Amino acid sequence: DTGVSQNPRHKITKRGQNVTFRCDPISEHNRLYWYRQTLGQGPEFLTYFQNEAQLEKSRLLSDRFSAERPKGSFSTLEIQRTEQGDSAMYLCARTGNPGANVLTFGAGSRLTVL
Amino acid sequence: TQLLEQSPQFLSIQEGENLTVYCNSSSVFSSLQWYRQEPGEGPVLLVTVVTGGEVKKLKRLTFQFGDARKDSSLHITAAQTGDTGLYLCAGIDSWGKFQFGAGTQVVVTP
Repeated sequence: DTGVSQNPRHKITKRGQNVTFRCDPISEHNRLYWYRQTLGQGPEFLTYFQNEAQLEKSRLLSDRFSAERPKGSFSTLEIQRTEQGDSAMYLCARTGNPGANVLTFGAGSRLTVL
Repeated sequence: TQLLEQSPQFLSIQEGENLTVYCNSSSVFSSLQWYRQEPGEGPVLLVTVVTGGEVKKLKRLTFQFGDARKDSSLHITAAQTGDTGLYLCAGIDSWGKFQFGAGTQVVVTP
């Protein structure tokens, strides 16, 4: 147990549908990151939060992607009007415990867009 | 766009052999980390290097950070099948954002 829970673990959807992923870190008052990873590639930065404040959103991210962390604890990542190119693993990670400069990842949410 | 370049992209060796993977960047990071990722799981931190010229050892793994803090290497001695995985380097910028390289897929066969 990494202390970062992601749901759902797998999502299959049809093109044009909206999907939402949730991330529950073990503790609050830390930074929370979202990454996207495709097969054979490293994680690509999407966005990150300090408590409920969204510090940065990748310029590569279209307006169809939105993320929130309303109470500084759990976070959601929503993709509207999904496209086949959105198929990927979506990883959530937190810092803190063991350290502010250590990323602890969840197991990810795999999205398949048909 | 990956700011960190890793090489090689793929490496297949036999158990007992040594291997080295590299991570290079045109930017200076406040620190650099190595992670290992296994299928179906998120990356797990192996080590953090902070000081230029730093060398860290973790059992059979040796990590080096270049003097200019823009490149790093990971050397594995006497590889085992359990070393199989995707090795990722990550740079931490001054705002606390972690950027990852594309990774090196290492396969160790019996």
